[in-house]
Amino acid sequence: GESVGLHLPTLSVQEGDNSIINCAYSNSASDYFIWYKQESGKGPQFIIDIRSNMDKRQGQRVTVLLNKTVKHLSLQIAATQPGDSAVYFCAETPGGDSWGKLQFGAGTQVVVTP
Amino acid sequence: EAQVTQNPRYLITVTGKKLTVTCSQNMNHEYMSWYRQDPGLGLRQIYYSMNVEVTDKGDVPEGYKVSRKEKRNFPLILESPSPNQTSLYFCASSLSMGKRYEQYFGPGTRLTVT
Repeated sequence: GESVGLHLPTLSVQEGDNSIINCAYSNSASDYFIWYKQESGKGPQFIIDIRSNMDKRQGQRVTVLLNKTVKHLSLQIAATQPGDSAVYFCAETPGGDSWGKLQFGAGTQVVVTP
Repeated sequence: EAQVTQNPRYLITVTGKKLTVTCSQNMNHEYMSWYRQDPGLGLRQIYYSMNVEVTDKGDVPEGYKVSRKEKRNFPLILESPSPNQTSLYFCASSLSMGKRYEQYFGPGTRLTVT
């Protein structure tokens, strides 16, 4: 997962626009990639996952894209709403000897403006 | 209501005084895990458990202990807390190892060690 230091990157999006949140990963052996959403004062909430043998998966208003060539993962949110304001984390299951682990990136703050 | 509960929610303690943070889930989940969350670092996995009496280290296990004597409970023990363990702690559970990426998180425990 990514490490971006003490200050979270912030994505400011106008209500109704589409959001794209990006994540770089380093472990080519990871078997699942996952997106979580964390609203202020709450625990993370599972959004969607994608297995390493896929390159695209769609959910309700969300699409996850996986590019294994450049080790890049993205989450697209369609028609962003005020309730989408949160910190979004990508995560991965490393596989191999670490197959029970779940490793998170540092997160991206999404702010939805009216 | 299906949920993961943690107690206490807030705790201020002193260096060296043993403490336990409890975690309980009512979903009959096999997999449980503990994370700590620090600004800019995302969530880092401390320990996880694949089932009763089966636990393993995450990425940051030093200074922590866990036990899994019953399926529903997964307490986190700090035998001799230090200030660098001041953090926000989350417990999570998932149905099984095969679904370990789809985790349900508790509300968090904010720990301050002085």
